Amino acid sequence: EVQLVESGGGLVQPGGSLGLSCAASGFTFRSYWMSWVRQAPGKGLEWVANIKEDGSEKHYVDSVKGRFTISRDNAKNSLYLRMNSLRPEDTAVYYCARIETAYGGHPWDYWGQGTLVTVSS
Amino acid sequence: QSVLTQPPSASGTPGQRVTISCSGSSSNIGGNVVNWYQQLPGTAPKLLIYSDNQRPSGVPDRFSGSKSGTSASLAISGLQSEDEADYYCAAWDDSLRGRVFGGGTKLTVL
Repeated sequence: EVQLVESGGGLVQPGGSLGLSCAASGFTFRSYWMSWVRQAPGKGLEWVANIKEDGSEKHYVDSVKGRFTISRDNAKNSLYLRMNSLRPEDTAVYYCARIETAYGGHPWDYWGQGTLVTVSS
Repeated sequence: QSVLTQPPSASGTPGQRVTISCSGSSSNIGGNVVNWYQQLPGTAPKLLIYSDNQRPSGVPDRFSGSKSGTSASLAISGLQSEDEADYYCAAWDDSLRGRVFGGGTKLTVL
């Protein structure tokens, strides 16, 4: 059974940093692109970042470029998101999601339960 | 403001057929496939439709997707109370070089 379990969320002051982790199991992690997708309270979904199977390619939404860094450790079956210079508008539930490249449109076919990041003084 | 435009709400009675629209442009829906996600209250999103009109295994055939030009639609037939959820469309955007979502449609089963 595919499982994605996020951790690391919490309360952080504006300008601060936080690191999120996503532990993957039930599939061959090193064979999949992975993403972070976020959802502000009461709002819609927003794609944040993607990373290629081997970590050699990364893509970010413009609003987090230069502040967030996506990474992975295939030996530990883990995905990470390092968030610096956090802003109140970064407050959201952050989901880890798997990209299924065998499907047209490369959708996210599995999602974690999410971890809440709150940026506030 | 979302790149893809969805109606904020939709409703129907049990057994009815409802459709949810998703409007975009040539840089997203017009040139790329559309995926749909269902988010039940308090849970993570779930893949409902991929590649415009394909259902992953386990998704009932009551759910169907279509696309024409720069617009896509999700249809739910034989509406059930457990279909009450938020529905999101998503696509790649060539201009933004990223994945974009619609703002979501809250479906209420009356």
